[in-house]
Amino acid sequence: DIQMTQSPSSLSASIGDRVTITCRASQGISNYLAWYQQKPGKVPKLLIYAASTLQSGVPSRFSGSESGTDFTLTINSLQPEDVATYYCQKYDSAPLTFGGGTKVEIK
Amino acid sequence: EEQLLASGGGLVQPGGSLRLSCAASGFAFSTYGMTWVRQAPGRGLEWVSLISYGGGSTYYADSVKGRFTISRDNPKNTLFLQMNSLRVEDTAVYYCAKGSRVSARRDAFDIWGQGTVVTVSS
Repeated sequence: DIQMTQSPSSLSASIGDRVTITCRASQGISNYLAWYQQKPGKVPKLLIYAASTLQSGVPSRFSGSESGTDFTLTINSLQPEDVATYYCQKYDSAPLTFGGGTKVEIK
Repeated sequence: EEQLLASGGGLVQPGGSLRLSCAASGFAFSTYGMTWVRQAPGRGLEWVSLISYGGGSTYYADSVKGRFTISRDNPKNTLFLQMNSLRVEDTAVYYCAKGSRVSARRDAFDIWGQGTVVTVSS
């Protein structure tokens, strides 16, 4: 099975900072990669699909990119409401594995 | 408004069974793939199972294969997860989620239910 390695597991940044989270697939998954945001005590929310397509209603400070088997979620200008854990998920084929998550906090 | 309402969770002894349900509303249920995802206390998200929009294709995580069965009743807009031979490590919040594109074979999940809590303990 393809493994999804997400890094870092946690980070602390200041308001207005640019934040980058990486997800690496152990094999090629084309662009079948989604990013989800889960705020404390809340349900996961789809942010990005197809590696770089922003889900409707998601603020434009969120963006996704891919380079081979490496995928990146970027938050430009971190806001207080962005405090959450972020997960990547592959959906090219089963199992639809999630990354381990990245907890984002405000410094 | 597109909504999913999960139910059926509870406390069960190891080796027991539970049947989770997920009632869908506000969208054409029969045209979207559906999935179950779980989250153990203090842990990350774990994909559990997927069913195609017509119900003809089903997929499972190795951790639940042979014990869990996903199914759907399209006329009743309801998704199910039959869980047998439950283990302590199955304790989690179970979320149902909807595929984001009509009739897609590969899909992310855009609408999530609120979750139902399953506790396996003696």
